Formats: sequence, C-alpha cells, structure tokens
Amino acid sequence: AQTVTQSQPEMSVQEAETVTLSCTYDTSESDYYLFWYKQPPSRQMILVIRQEAYKQQNATENRFSVNFQKAAKSFSLKISDSQLGDAAMYFCAYRSASRRGNTPLVFGKGTRLSVIA
Amino acid sequence: DTAVSQTPKYLVTQMGNDKSIKCEQNLGHDTMYWYKQDSKKFLKIMFSYNNKELIINETVPNRFSPKSPDKAHLNLHINSLELGDSAVYFCASSHVLRGSHNEQFFGPGTRLTVL
Repeated sequence: AQTVTQSQPEMSVQEAETVTLSCTYDTSESDYYLFWYKQPPSRQMILVIRQEAYKQQNATENRFSVNFQKAAKSFSLKISDSQLGDAAMYFCAYRSASRRGNTPLVFGKGTRLSVIA
Repeated sequence: DTAVSQTPKYLVTQMGNDKSIKCEQNLGHDTMYWYKQDSKKFLKIMFSYNNKELIINETVPNRFSPKSPDKAHLNLHINSLELGDSAVYFCASSHVLRGSHNEQFFGPGTRLTVL
C-alpha cells in the first residue's frame, strides 16, 4: 500500500518570504500523480498544484512550485512571496494511475502553515 | 453554481441515532468518493463508486452504508452513531479520462458531532 509522509506538522513564514513544505511517499508503482491541497479554516479542500510522475519538469502555478524527485520519492512544495491568505493546512496526496479507473487519494497528515505579518 | 454540494454542513446528534449525509455533483463525473477527516485532520478514503457501482470499500464499520441512486448522487447513511464517528466527512467526484490526472473535486464537508 502507498503511504505519504509529511514530516513537518507545523511551519511558519514571514509575509513575502519563501517557505518549503516537505513530502515523501512510498510506492512500488511507476505511474502515479501527486498533489498538494490547501485547507483553510473554511475547511474547503482546494487543489494547489499537481504533478504527473512521468513528467520530469516540475509543476508551477504562479507563486507555487514543486520539487519532484522521483528516485528519492520526494515531492516538496515551495511557496514564494508568502501572503496572509496562504495560512492553512497543506496536504500532500498520492493517486495511483491505475487502468482500472479512478483511484482514491492517499493523504499525508498535513502541515499547518502560519504566515506572520 | 456549486460543483459538489453536501447537506447538511453541520450535524449534531445523539449516540445511537441514525443519520444521512447527502452529496450531489453537477460536473457530469462518473466516480464519487467519501473521505473521513478525523480530529487530527487526517483524511482517509471510505468508499468509492463508479457509475453507481461500489468499487472501493475500505475498512469501515457495517454501520456505514453508501447509496448511489444515480451517477450524480452518493449518499452516506450511518446507523447507531458512536462517539468515534465524530469527524468531517467529505464527498468528492472525478471523471475517468484516459491520459488525464483525473482531478478530484471536493464538497464543502459535513461536520458530524455525536454527543
């Protein structure tokens, strides 16, 4: 079974600075997807960024980028120019690219990010 | 328009009661899920339905019974509620597309509190 590990329960960053959230995963599969979800106090799950395992290029979405190291099974999220609105729980998630159809997400335990004004 | 909706958003009930949470998606997706988020914020899959058929049933007590009357709806019925059932329950949906990352869209969650 796949597992996702987020080793940082809490992180903090100064407004306008850069922060990196860590995520490692364990799988024997070669084809899969990785995601970062944001959960603000409203508890809505918001997709931040996604990465296909077959792509070597790291995904970027505006101020959010990932460092995907497939051999090391590492998938960290970098937030640049942090804003107060970035304060939230961040979840790393894995999904198998099974041919049998949609497979569920396997989540890490989350990292609570605080942004200091 | 709301993509994935859940009702109710909050549910407070007594131990031993039976309750249902409804989920509807208007995205035309063929797969729907129920996830449970416990008090420590850990999210875990409970069930997955594809075209109204159960395809994933994780280790969940028999007191939990999902029902999918059609592809757009996946309801969760819980019998004989226990204190440990208190959690936030998320519904999600996605669509099988070859070559797609099959993004899952989440509902707003239902916070269930069992007293």
